[in-house]
Amino acid sequence: ETGVTQSPTHLIKTRGQQVTLRCSSQSGHNTVSWYQQALGQGPQFIFQYYREEENGRGNFPPRFSGLQFPNYSSELNVNALELDDSALYLCASSLGTVPEAFFGQGTRLTVV
Amino acid sequence: GQSLEQPSEVTAVEGAIVQINCTYQTSGFYGLSWYQQHDGGAPTFLSYNGLDGLEETGRFSSFLSRSDSYGYLLLQELQMKDSASYFCAVRDHPTNAGKSTFGDGTTLTVKP
Repeated sequence: ETGVTQSPTHLIKTRGQQVTLRCSSQSGHNTVSWYQQALGQGPQFIFQYYREEENGRGNFPPRFSGLQFPNYSSELNVNALELDDSALYLCASSLGTVPEAFFGQGTRLTVV
Repeated sequence: GQSLEQPSEVTAVEGAIVQINCTYQTSGFYGLSWYQQHDGGAPTFLSYNGLDGLEETGRFSSFLSRSDSYGYLLLQELQMKDSASYFCAVRDHPTNAGKSTFGDGTTLTVKP
């Protein structure tokens, strides 16, 4: 198991609502990346935070936003939820040039 | 942009060897990673190739040919617990493991 923890593990929301997902990174890792994984597909990069600043963004609309805190934990916020937002949301922490990214178990979001 | 192609499914028997191929088309390339994901679990890092050639880690090996935009993951002495999805991922930053583009994964089924 990695040291990356995500909460909650499962969540059901109604279309149009807002959701906040949380991630605690591996100890000492200053970089947190968020991914969306739809069923049967690979993880898709949403954005990354490095030392509390957004450090790159994938092809996701502005209603996907995030934060990183001084302890390097992070939040992913999604506004105006759509049915297609139903997916597994993964958080990955990494450090510098180390080639390995450590993923959490993910949050399974279902939008109804 | 980035796109990666890998077979959707592979089946093999216990004790056999299996190779999972990955071809990529990318606008930037700084290495190819492989991740394993069991149903409902976190992707876990298996291997990374930044340069051409073979990397060996126990029963798993990974190969990269940058001139062919091609890599593969080789799994030897297959065990039932190797049944999982395997993802290749292109790292699109030289020092940042968190920013990667993933393929859609190969589901490996190991039969007795």
